[in-house]
Amino acid sequence: GQQLNQSPQSMFIQEGEDVSMNCTSSSIFNTWLWYKQDPGEGPVLLIALYKAGELTSNGRLTAQFGITRKDSFLNISASIPSDVGIYFCAGSGDYGGSQGNLIFGKGTKLSVKP
Amino acid sequence: SAVISQKPSRDICQRGTSLTIQCQVDSQVTMMFWYRQQPGQSLTLIATANQGSEATYESGFVIDKFPISRPNLTFSTLTVSNMSPEDSSIYLCSVERGYEQFFGPGTRLTVL
Repeated sequence: GQQLNQSPQSMFIQEGEDVSMNCTSSSIFNTWLWYKQDPGEGPVLLIALYKAGELTSNGRLTAQFGITRKDSFLNISASIPSDVGIYFCAGSGDYGGSQGNLIFGKGTKLSVKP
Repeated sequence: SAVISQKPSRDICQRGTSLTIQCQVDSQVTMMFWYRQQPGQSLTLIATANQGSEATYESGFVIDKFPISRPNLTFSTLTVSNMSPEDSSIYLCSVERGYEQFFGPGTRLTVL
């Protein structure tokens, strides 16, 4: 089946640092979505991307839809403690699956540096 | 966005029993989805539920094990049948608005 490779798997942040994570796929997607999930809660949509090359910001978050439509990255600038959580990328479309079926990456866990 | 609620928020069940999870949305939606998130893992789609038709199940999931109802445009249920400890997961419903999906808070199920 379709897979998304998300990296890094985990990372430690210090307040004020910039953070970057990405997702790649062997297949083309029409839509890339980035979610954040806090413990005990459902994923919350952060950014949605619809066009190859599109660069979209949401506050301190910036995400880009890769030109090849096979990758996307998410940057967090000037991180703060509440950025801690698990970030998931998700893609949909153009892989033969049902419309609306999201394929999720395995997640990037952000923790605070001890 | 969408306001989605799920009941129960969590439950502990005995093996061999069944649990029905409810999902309520604040406004009408065409498509609703059910996902499973096993401990420490990502989300996997179980099935897509459209009102007025049978749910469409993904590979590895069958109707006998995960029957779904979709009686109207704001509500759906997922039943986890004949549970075993391997069914211990978070079960999430989601809805589609445009090209975006929004998730409920999840139901954390533990099977003993």
